[in-house]
Amino acid sequence: QAGLTQPPSVSKGLRQTATLTCTGNSNNVGNQGAAWLQQLQGHPPKLLSYRNNSRPSGISDRLSASRSGNTASLTITGLQPEDEADYYCSAWDINLSAYVFGTGTKVTVL
Amino acid sequence: QVQLVESGGGVVQPGRSLRLSCAASGFTFTTYGLHWVRQAPGQGLEWVAIISNDGSYKSYSDSVKGRLTISRDNSKNTLYLQMNSLRPEDTAVYYCAKGGSFDLWGRGTLVTVSS
Repeated sequence: QAGLTQPPSVSKGLRQTATLTCTGNSNNVGNQGAAWLQQLQGHPPKLLSYRNNSRPSGISDRLSASRSGNTASLTITGLQPEDEADYYCSAWDINLSAYVFGTGTKVTVL
Repeated sequence: QVQLVESGGGVVQPGRSLRLSCAASGFTFTTYGLHWVRQAPGQGLEWVAIISNDGSYKSYSDSVKGRLTISRDNSKNTLYLQMNSLRPEDTAVYYCAKGGSFDLWGRGTLVTVSS
């Protein structure tokens, strides 16, 4: 099962803005949207955003998600050291009847 | 406390079987579908399987279809993953996760398949 494509790494300076992308196709991201998850080193993943821009309670409003066609995006404004983590997208694929995850993006705050 | 707690991992020889459990607490178990997701050492997340809230619907990734079986016992608030014919490439931390958007995760249990 093909996964969703994410850039392997993004590096930005403190307080800058990082935009992460997640590219799928019309059967997954383009149809159902994507969820975004953060995984800190040594920890399980944590949900950041679902249904494109709905944030669970307690998630910072510095994070916002969007979608254009088959590509979902997660924007992190005012980058902080605690934002250093791996970020994954996920979507339900209606053709596969399966969930697919992105390849993951490692965010480094310089 | 709202949580998921996995157990049952360990070291197992190729071809053997193992059953993982995921105990849920703090939410209405019968309301939610549940997933198994795995992460091989140093690698990304791989979705394994999902089961609906009442157990009537199940779906699997191609890589585990026919060897791993997801099930649940709603009377015990517990999710299971029966793993048969294990292969070295099944070595991973196995997480259970709640809901269509993966809004709650356990801490995972490590499965190592090695002779």
